[in-house]
Amino acid sequence: DAKTTQPPSMDCAEGRAANLPCNHSTISGNEYVYWYRQIHSQGPQYIIHGLKNNETNEMASLIITEDRKSSTLILPHATLRDTAVYYCIVWASNTGKLIFGQGTTLQVKP
Amino acid sequence: SQTIHQWPATLVQPVGSPLSLECTVEGTSNPNLYWYRQAAGRGLQLLFYSVGIGQISSEVPQNLSASRPQDRQFILSSKKLLLSDSGFYLCACRGQGNTEAFFGQGTRLTVV
Repeated sequence: DAKTTQPPSMDCAEGRAANLPCNHSTISGNEYVYWYRQIHSQGPQYIIHGLKNNETNEMASLIITEDRKSSTLILPHATLRDTAVYYCIVWASNTGKLIFGQGTTLQVKP
Repeated sequence: SQTIHQWPATLVQPVGSPLSLECTVEGTSNPNLYWYRQAAGRGLQLLFYSVGIGQISSEVPQNLSASRPQDRQFILSSKKLLLSDSGFYLCACRGQGNTEAFFGQGTRLTVV
């Protein structure tokens, strides 16, 4: 079973920041938080991952709470092409399984 | 970087026919390999994963099987397809350590 909880859907205005929350209250100390997104009819695309520090790359920023029980993915300036299903996953390097939850469908509107 | 080759992109098969989907990986060795299925409008369901040659873990009882004859080859098979086997099949690969997983472009299977 997935170990994360995400809202099923969110809307965001084009050009504004999209903040996607994820709860992972049962995360273990060796598990990382990963974010992927899936645009319709394509394979999931890796976005970012982190352990306990905040992370930023060219696509997004990841904010992880100090207790690591939740995180937020931030797309700083959402575009229409960011419309997709966003998946938050917790995963450890010594774990074979990679389980996806239902994700959040982000709709970016003009 | 890792590259995943998955083919064909689309496939239409009659009920009762066999299935073989192949996934090959480049750019890494001894990866974890995964097969997922996604029904229309649904999430990603993990079907099988493999941590090494000949090592297959099945997640869901079903009409499918998987094999890993070589380090970077993962095959999804069925002896007799059912209508419920229709869906979008994705292969994924993860290298060693805390790296991300990469996904293939998927095969859209329609069983008629």
